Amino acid sequence: DTAVSQTPKYLVTQMGNDKSIKCEQNLGHDTMYWYKQDSKKFLKIMFSYNNKELIINETVPNRFSPKSPDKAHLNLHINSLELGDSAVYFCASSQEQGNEKLFFGSGTQLSVL
Amino acid sequence: ILNVEQSPQSLHVQEGDSTNFTCSFPSSNFYALHWYRWETAKSPEALFVMTLNGDEKKKGRISATLNTKEGYSYLYIKGSQPEDSATYLCAFRSGSNYQLIWGAGTKLIIKP
Repeated sequence: DTAVSQTPKYLVTQMGNDKSIKCEQNLGHDTMYWYKQDSKKFLKIMFSYNNKELIINETVPNRFSPKSPDKAHLNLHINSLELGDSAVYFCASSQEQGNEKLFFGSGTQLSVL
Repeated sequence: ILNVEQSPQSLHVQEGDSTNFTCSFPSSNFYALHWYRWETAKSPEALFVMTLNGDEKKKGRISATLNTKEGYSYLYIKGSQPEDSATYLCAFRSGSNYQLIWGAGTKLIIKP
């Protein structure tokens, strides 16, 4: 069983479109995250959710919105996609925010044409 | 601005040799230091989470030490194997901010 699964693995779309990336974790964790791997390969936090409450929002354009229907899911919606949104996006979860390790999904490679 | 630096950026090591690399982080308001292994085309996988000054953790041939007073952690790999080839990331969490600050990683390549 995959602990943190995100779909799709690859997403190719046109500029201006709206798309979603889904993430589910079956670990019973309290906190879920979305990371973006930037052009220099750094992992940059976008959002984290703890018990369905947004607790971090790092200067991310409001075209990006996280949606958490329940503790096991944190989906990422992106409106009006731009060329600069092309990147690999990783979902992750942890038991709590603090000193617990993160479990990552396999990543979604988004290409905006 | 909190900064996490890893050195070297990349490292070529002969199979069987031992190696180590460094993660530097702010020495004030320490909360936790994470190490992850990231193989190409896969997702980062946690190795260690360290919280106490002087902590030493071990997982097989890989071990890590932590010095929170001077702000550094070393990752050691003993008797490198081809499967150790990966990028090793460290991430720092301060006591005032739950956000993990990530280093750029050390890319390790094991030559057979």
